[in-house]
Amino acid sequence: KAGVTQTPRYLIKTRGQQVTLSCSPISGHRSVSWYQQTPGQGLQFLFEYFSETQRNKGNFPGRFSGRQFSNSRSEMNVSTLELGDSALYLCASSFEGWEETQYFGPGTRLLVL
Amino acid sequence: DQQVKQNSPSLSVQEGRISILNCDYTNSMFDYFLWYKKYPAEGPTFLISISSIKDKNEDGRFTVFLNKSAKHLSLHIVPSQPGDSAVYFCAASVRNRDDKIIFGKGTRLHILP
Repeated sequence: KAGVTQTPRYLIKTRGQQVTLSCSPISGHRSVSWYQQTPGQGLQFLFEYFSETQRNKGNFPGRFSGRQFSNSRSEMNVSTLELGDSALYLCASSFEGWEETQYFGPGTRLLVL
Repeated sequence: DQQVKQNSPSLSVQEGRISILNCDYTNSMFDYFLWYKKYPAEGPTFLISISSIKDKNEDGRFTVFLNKSAKHLSLHIVPSQPGDSAVYFCAASVRNRDDKIIFGKGTRLHILP
């Protein structure tokens, strides 16, 4: 079965702009989690969505937001981009929740200039 | 079939003493391990990671030890502080070859005054 897909794969933006990243989970998975990965900071948890509701949220500023649609697809939005937002953004899906085995997408590499 | 096991559901440690949280895994292909901490009603926070090429990684009060032959890793917190009371999750993956990250069920750590 198809894995987790993320679009776009690469993105270059400038400071102050906003960006929307998309994630399509594995069919049947209802939980989608978003992570930010930067060198030295590991895999930082952003938030988890389940059945269109944000269920868990990491320690990120309000500029980072997300949503989930009825088909479990999820989007993540970052407003007023800062240089420090340059990172690999990973989406992961699972059947029921964050604490299960999560399947990762390939990620979206965002560069903020 | 649980590939990542945290056999102690809870642990109580006196403030100021060492907390040792244990994690066992069954898949010898795992080459990257992470620890997360979670407070109630919050998302997980990345703590520390270790690659299989190392047997120890230290970050402040947190040290992770990896024993590949025993398929065992442990997180040491020294000295333990009241704010360390949380649930700690161990996770493992096969980097660059797999798209999964597998979490243990967690260990609830209570720091006693």
